[in-house]
Amino acid sequence: DAEITQSPRHKITETGRQVTLACHQTWNHNNMFWYRQDLGHGLRLIHYSYGVQDTNKGEVSDGYSVSRSNTEDLPLTLESAASSQTSVYFCASSPGTGHTLNTEAFFGQGTRLTVV
Amino acid sequence: QKEVEQDPGPLSVPEGAIVSLNCTYSNSAFQYFMWYRQYSRKGPELLMYTYSSGNKEDGRFTAQVDKSSKYISLFIRDSQPSDSATYLCAMINGGSNYKLTFGKGTLLTVNP
Repeated sequence: DAEITQSPRHKITETGRQVTLACHQTWNHNNMFWYRQDLGHGLRLIHYSYGVQDTNKGEVSDGYSVSRSNTEDLPLTLESAASSQTSVYFCASSPGTGHTLNTEAFFGQGTRLTVV
Repeated sequence: QKEVEQDPGPLSVPEGAIVSLNCTYSNSAFQYFMWYRQYSRKGPELLMYTYSSGNKEDGRFTAQVDKSSKYISLFIRDSQPSDSATYLCAMINGGSNYKLTFGKGTLLTVNP
């Protein structure tokens, strides 16, 4: 079955380190998204991509970067981890081309990141 | 004012009760409305999707949209313990780039 997987599921890192969270989907979806979920804030969009070589900033993109070199993967990099980036991170993908409607987004299981 | 407001609860009901979950929004450009269900330590999954005002029913779930009041609801009939989860409303501004804007989620517990 097609799926979307995130790795690692849990990670503890130190302040200032670079961290990369992986996201891999096998649906061949064009659209991929990274969200963070925090108590009191809900899901907030970090970065998104509508296709290979396309990346866009979301509402909370500072300190994060993504790259899209193929359809299946959208890794999220924290350039220099900060305690404020302790959160649960969700990757999602949705079908469609370009800016078509993203009503049916499929989410991964999440990565719980702790920055100490 | 946040674009999407959702009471975080928690909401606790007995099994078999009718549950009403609600969101209000301020952006009149929102055209598409969704409800996601998220079990503990899992990713959200799409429950229902509606466009424009009116009702949409799917089994025990009914989604309602009132664009004039900028208010959406999700009703769960004959609630079951397996319905215990966080329910997130989400909306899309069709005139923008189709990104989802989420409410904060309401934590629901259905007690057997």
